[in-house]
Amino acid sequence: SQQGEEDPQALSIQEGENATMNCSYKTSINNLQWYRQNSGRGLVHLILIRSNEREKHSGRLRVTLDTSKKSSSLLITASRAADTASYFCATDANDYKLSFGAGTTVTVRA
Amino acid sequence: SQTIHQWPATLVQPVGSPLSLECTVEGTSNPNLYWYRQAAGRGLQLLFYSVGIGQISSEVPQNLSASRPQDRQFILSSKKLLLSDSGFYLCAWATTGNTEAFFGQGTRLTVV
Repeated sequence: SQQGEEDPQALSIQEGENATMNCSYKTSINNLQWYRQNSGRGLVHLILIRSNEREKHSGRLRVTLDTSKKSSSLLITASRAADTASYFCATDANDYKLSFGAGTTVTVRA
Repeated sequence: SQTIHQWPATLVQPVGSPLSLECTVEGTSNPNLYWYRQAAGRGLQLLFYSVGIGQISSEVPQNLSASRPQDRQFILSSKKLLLSDSGFYLCAWATTGNTEAFFGQGTRLTVV
């Protein structure tokens, strides 16, 4: 079963705007990760936030984690057409199993 | 540096035929290995994972099996494919602990 669920399912924004997507999960986690998938390709790791962290930045990416609400958000600032992709959150309930949500499809219009 | 190879990239197989998808990892030892399936426009479903040679954990009952004959080789198999086995199959590796997973480029399987 899927541990994480992303919201919204799809997002369309204008180039230069910010894109925000959320992830909710069900059980306790060690860390939460965000991945990106271009159409028909494998997933690429974007950022990992540990359960004892609340916010993390990487370039134009900002991730927050609220373990009390079992939720995380991914913010992409100043979006570009190249950011068009699907974004997935992933959680690990133990050291071995990495469970993914259904993803948010982001379309950035030029 | 570590790399992961997955092949073939695309595959069209008739119903009832066997399947063998192979994944190999280079540049690391004793990785955790994973097979995921992704239906069109959907998330990833974990099928199998392995923490060592010959150790396979199955996540969902299905028409597929996995094997790990060598430390860095992970194989996904089926004796007789079903139409419902169509999908995008992804192999991945990671190390035990709080680290990222590295994915292959995927195999698009169409069962006809």
